[in-house]
Amino acid sequence: DTAVSQTPKYLVTQMGNDKSIKCEQNLGHDTMYWYKQDSKKFLKIMFSYNNKELIINETVPNRFSPKSPDKAHLNLHINSLELGDSAVYFCASSKQGRSYEQYFGPGTRLTVT
Amino acid sequence: AQSVSQHNHHVILSEAASLELGCNYSYGGTVNLFWYVQYPGQHLQLLLKYFSGDPLVKGIKGFEAEFIKSKFSFNLRKPSVQWSDTAEYFCAVFNDYKLSFGAGTTVTVRA
Repeated sequence: DTAVSQTPKYLVTQMGNDKSIKCEQNLGHDTMYWYKQDSKKFLKIMFSYNNKELIINETVPNRFSPKSPDKAHLNLHINSLELGDSAVYFCASSKQGRSYEQYFGPGTRLTVT
Repeated sequence: AQSVSQHNHHVILSEAASLELGCNYSYGGTVNLFWYVQYPGQHLQLLLKYFSGDPLVKGIKGFEAEFIKSKFSFNLRKPSVQWSDTAEYFCAVFNDYKLSFGAGTTVTVRA
């Protein structure tokens, strides 16, 4: 019955690798987001998709590419991983017109060694 | 650009003590304000929100927050904390289709 789910929960990988994090929501929401939480717990939005269309793209390196195959999924692909990419990545979703009310996933802790 | 400041980085207190966490935002227009909580190892959960109306809003688990427009503040309070309130607390502002979060305050409640 998980509303917003992410896989994997933990991801340990080496520098230079390419990895993906998946997010799925079963709330029937139209908008999905990716946030990055750094080691100091600072949480910042990266991307937002509405009905599979990119609407927010903060200053994120182009090594990060979100993909939304449908409204219920928003995956995050990261190329050429760097040490600084180590963080917790949170997916969130909201209903169209209610972007202020976001539901968060459990997070994916990415460690780049 | 919107910015959110949380004054306290880490607060340590004993059970039954009162808690107040400060939050200020920089935007001068209409804002929607939120407090989120992140318990250890868990995802963010909404504690309470303010859109309009009564500036004193009540949330879950006995938390409340007061919106003071003249001070651009939205401070979180709880009269008597419990050990289970140990968590990270984030203030957030919604504007321009996105949530902007403060840096968070770690609250440690000692039994």
